[in-house]
Amino acid sequence: EVQLVESGGGLVQPGRSLRLSCIASGFTFGDYTMSWFRQAPGKGLEWVGFIRGKVYGGTTEYAASVKGRISISRDDSKSIAYLQMNSLKTEDTAVYYCAREHPVVPDSFDIWGQGTMVTVSS
Amino acid sequence: QSVLTQPPSVSGAPGQRVTISCTGSSSNIGAGYDVHWYQQLPGTAPKLLIYANSNRPSGVPDRFSGSKSDTSASLAITGLQAEDEADYYCQSYDSSLRAYVFGTGTKVTVL
Repeated sequence: EVQLVESGGGLVQPGRSLRLSCIASGFTFGDYTMSWFRQAPGKGLEWVGFIRGKVYGGTTEYAASVKGRISISRDDSKSIAYLQMNSLKTEDTAVYYCAREHPVVPDSFDIWGQGTMVTVSS
Repeated sequence: QSVLTQPPSVSGAPGQRVTISCTGSSSNIGAGYDVHWYQQLPGTAPKLLIYANSNRPSGVPDRFSGSKSDTSASLAITGLQAEDEADYYCQSYDSSLRAYVFGTGTKVTVL
């Protein structure tokens, strides 16, 4: 079964750091671009960033709202994508999802994890 | 930030047809980028519902259909069912923002 499972969320104080993980199974992880999204409580979806598959150089792109504070990396040997978040702000409170880019239709996302909640509060 | 505009809510009786609009601009939908639609049931992750404007992934009922024209797109649900109650989001790419962008989201209520 093709599956993504996020972990690493929790309660963190403003200014601290947190690393989220996204463990993939059921597909050849290294071939895929992986994205992170977030959804603040009661709000809509927001793209955070992505990391391309190794065939495309494994490069990253980030949303302007988080650029400079986050980094995305991957360990293809373990089928894990990471989202490192630094200098966390209260407005970073959200459910964070990882998703796989559709293998045939670029810029769409066909497999999503269940999400992990990040609460930034003192 | 949501650069694609959707109505906050739509509703219909079981069996009826509802449509959800998604209005963008010349830097996203109007630039030729595809529109994709996601269904988010309460408390769950988004699910790809329509890709590349009008295509349904395997397993998505043909009651769901999508279209795109100029700077906007639409999602139609025919034969509305109770299980269709969810939030629906359109998504595209914006060349000015260099970012994937989502619509503001529409809550569908089955009366």
